[in-house]
Amino acid sequence: SQTIHQWPATLVQPVGSPLSLECTVEGTSNPNLYWYRQAAGRGLQLLFYSVGIGQISSEVPQNLSASRPQDRQFILSSKKLLLSDSGFYLCAWRRDRPYGYTFGSGTRLTVV
Amino acid sequence: GNSVTQMEGPVTLSEEAFLTINCTYTATGYPSLFWYVQYPGEGLQLLLKATKADDKGSNKGFEATYRKETTSFHLEKGSVQVSDSAVYFCALSDDTGGFKTIFGAGTRLFVKA
Repeated sequence: SQTIHQWPATLVQPVGSPLSLECTVEGTSNPNLYWYRQAAGRGLQLLFYSVGIGQISSEVPQNLSASRPQDRQFILSSKKLLLSDSGFYLCAWRRDRPYGYTFGSGTRLTVV
Repeated sequence: GNSVTQMEGPVTLSEEAFLTINCTYTATGYPSLFWYVQYPGEGLQLLLKATKADDKGSNKGFEATYRKETTSFHLEKGSVQVSDSAVYFCALSDDTGGFKTIFGAGTRLFVKA
């Protein structure tokens, strides 16, 4: 069966520090991968998605970046965090239609 | 562009009450529609889905019917339980360009014993 792992679960970082969140999928190959952010009490905002190794599409211009160095690994990064980067970050994967997303358990990031 | 609108919460119900959470969408073509549920502190879980008009998705007593004529996908449950307390998200995927999914703002449900 397929599983998705996301870490760390919680993170407190000072403003201006770097960020690296990692997501890996097991039990499938060539998954579509996604990073979403959920601000407190709000909906989900798509940040990046990837349909293959090295292929990254950005939905929202900001100081975050994403990379996919391996087929089942998706990394979200920042060189310098802002206060506004605080939120709940969710990684997800999906096969083709008609399947929905499978989400990771999320990373709660607080920038102080 | 595509969009999803769902009723604002919170919705507060007594146990065994009937639940409806309204969801309407705007999309070109023939999107797939989903309901996801998020329990406190967790990621989202797929609750049910429908991929074409008149399809009914169902799971754990929840149901939703894909209504193309009214562009709606309302979530219903006949008798809610305290354990159903969560945030519910309606979502749409146009199944093109990376299978991106657009989510509604979410509706928080509180069920009282």
